[in-house]
Amino acid sequence: RKEVEQDPGPFNVPEGATVAFNCTYSNSASQSFFWYRQDCRKEPKLLMSVYSSGNEDGRFTAQLNRASQYISLLIRDSKLSDSATYLCVVNVAGGSYIPTFGRGTSLIVHP
Amino acid sequence: ETGVTQSPTHLIKTRGQQVTLRCSSQSGHNTVSWYQQALGQGPQFIFQYYREEENGRGNFPPRFSGLQFPNYSSELNVNALELDDSALYLCASSLLGQDLPEAFFGQGTRLTVV
Repeated sequence: RKEVEQDPGPFNVPEGATVAFNCTYSNSASQSFFWYRQDCRKEPKLLMSVYSSGNEDGRFTAQLNRASQYISLLIRDSKLSDSATYLCVVNVAGGSYIPTFGRGTSLIVHP
Repeated sequence: ETGVTQSPTHLIKTRGQQVTLRCSSQSGHNTVSWYQQALGQGPQFIFQYYREEENGRGNFPPRFSGLQFPNYSSELNVNALELDDSALYLCASSLLGQDLPEAFFGQGTRLTVV
C-alpha cells in the first residue's frame, strides 16, 4: 500500500460546481498535512496547510480525519482557473519531517 | 515567488554521463528535500538534507547523491545516467522544527537523458 493515495481523476466539473477530493495516508504517526496545487509543467505550490480542526481559505476547505487517516479538500464555486493537479502531502515524522506526496488529482473546470 | 531557485532549468544529457543540479533554499530555511517527478506522477522523495547531513532517503540507488552547504544551498548529483532518469527534479526548502514545516519548491530542473 502506498503511503499517500489519491484518486488521479480527472474530475471534470462545470464552472460554479462544488468538488471534493480525498487523500488517504497509511502512517498513523503522520503529523502534518498540506494541499499543493501544480499547474502543467510547473512546480507544486502550497495551497493550504490542513489543521486538526479543519480550516477554510475563501472557497477552499480542508479537513483532517485522523481516525480514518484521510484528508479532504473541498472547492466551492469552481473557477476555470482552478483547473490544475491537486497534490496531497503528508509529513511523516520520527526525527525528520519528510514531505510525502500523493500522485495528485487532476481537476478540469469547464465553461 | 518562493525564494527557492534551481539551476539549470533544462538539461539534456547522454546515457552514462553524470549531472549536477543546484538549489538555493529560501532565506531562513535549514532543510532541503529533493524530488523526482515523472510525467503524470507525484513527486517521489529522493533525499533530504538538514544542517549539511543526509536526514532521510527514499528508494533511489546510490548513484543519486547530494550535498548541503553551510549556507543551506544544495546539490543533487546523478552518476551513470539512465534513460529513466528523465524527469522534472524538484528541490523543496523548509524550516525543520516548526509545527507546520511547509515546504516551498523551486521551479525545477527538467532533465532529459538521450
